[in-house]
Amino acid sequence: AQKVTQAQTEISVVEKEDVTLDCVYETRDTTYYLFWYKQPPSGELVFLIRRNSFDEQNEISGRYSWNFQKSTSSFNFTITASQVVDSAVYFCALSEGPGRRALTFGSGTRLQVQP
Amino acid sequence: ETGVTQTPRHLVMGMTNKKSLKCEQHLGHNAMYWYKQSAKKPLELMFVYSLEERVENNSVPSRFSPECPNSSHLFLHLHTLQPEDSALYLCASSQTEVGAGINEKLFFGSGTQLSVL
Repeated sequence: AQKVTQAQTEISVVEKEDVTLDCVYETRDTTYYLFWYKQPPSGELVFLIRRNSFDEQNEISGRYSWNFQKSTSSFNFTITASQVVDSAVYFCALSEGPGRRALTFGSGTRLQVQP
Repeated sequence: ETGVTQTPRHLVMGMTNKKSLKCEQHLGHNAMYWYKQSAKKPLELMFVYSLEERVENNSVPSRFSPECPNSSHLFLHLHTLQPEDSALYLCASSQTEVGAGINEKLFFGSGTQLSVL
């Protein structure tokens, strides 16, 4: 069975601090996909990144970066120089593939960025 | 016009009421989903529709009844709900025909916050 653990329930930082959100996953498949979604107060989840299990290259997109390590089954997300607009709930998710439909979501990490 | 629109945004209903949640996607996607987000559990997949055909039902009680009349619209009909059904119900869509072997990203609506009294 697949499982996603986000051990950090809530994190509070001050603006301009760097923050890392942890994600640990479990799967028996060799082919799978990992995702991060952001849920701002408005409610809709916004896609941030998708990574497949064969691509361990880390990715950077502006202030966001992701560290995928298969050896530790982790897919951590770092926000550099955090801003108030980054305040949201962040979800890590796992999809086994190919052809699997359901995303298994973690319980989410609520990030509060204080001005 | 946002990609995935859900109405109503908030709904309060009694246990004997019948109501429906509506979802509309303007993205030309082929697959649509209902997810439940409650305070005590992670996001739970409820139903998946691909090309208007239900392809997945995750052991959801029969008091929840989905309907997908076309690829742009998805409904969730509610009847005789329980207080524990109070949650945020999120609709999502994806481009690919589900099961085609490509795990596309999901586009979510803002959800309907449901309170069952």
